[in-house]
Amino acid sequence: QKEVEQDPGPLSVPEGAIVSLNCTYSNSAFQYFMWYRQYSRKGPELLMYTYSSGNKEDGRFTAQVDKSSKYISLFIRDSQPSDSATYLCAGSGGSNYKLTFGKGTLLTVNP
Amino acid sequence: EAGVAQSPRYKIIEKRQSVAFWCNPISGHATLYWYQQILGQGPKLLIQFQNNGVVDDSQLPKDRFSAERLKGVDSTLKIQPAKLEDSAVYLCASSLGVAGGRETQYFGPGTRLLVL
Repeated sequence: QKEVEQDPGPLSVPEGAIVSLNCTYSNSAFQYFMWYRQYSRKGPELLMYTYSSGNKEDGRFTAQVDKSSKYISLFIRDSQPSDSATYLCAGSGGSNYKLTFGKGTLLTVNP
Repeated sequence: EAGVAQSPRYKIIEKRQSVAFWCNPISGHATLYWYQQILGQGPKLLIQFQNNGVVDDSQLPKDRFSAERLKGVDSTLKIQPAKLEDSAVYLCASSLGVAGGRETQYFGPGTRLLVL
């Protein structure tokens, strides 16, 4: 079992839709959870950062972590074509806090 | 503030050849990471440097891969000899402190390697 599981999609939605992206993880030592966005032929960029369980909101983006079920979510409200990218979830923790990524979900927002 | 620079952006080689990638992190960043991203996968950490020293190289195939960080700034990653399965994007990232996955990592654009 991979440490971070993520449905690779692809996911296609109309502009203005609410998008829900999800991951599960198996490493109980994870304490820090990130969502990175990766545009085609670019490096990943940090979108959201969460410590432990709870919600975090930043503009149209909301990240949720439920450590009891080992579930990570990212919600995008009022999605825009510029949100079209691959979204990577990641966790870190344990002795060296190495960042472990999921496979990424390819999202396309259609105008 | 300049971002993480990587070169070359693309490289095509034949199997058993050698190849080297270069990374210049954001100025002042203590920690530098090399990741391998195979098509359809998330990045996988190959090696993490803190200043000059290696923090984690547990997933680096040491029989063919090597990396160094010169004077705690630039870094090179070398593959010798390359195999077909090394075809991937090699991403370099840096972070300000030494907190690893607890802090923001800034990624470069990557080097796309194709091994024929």
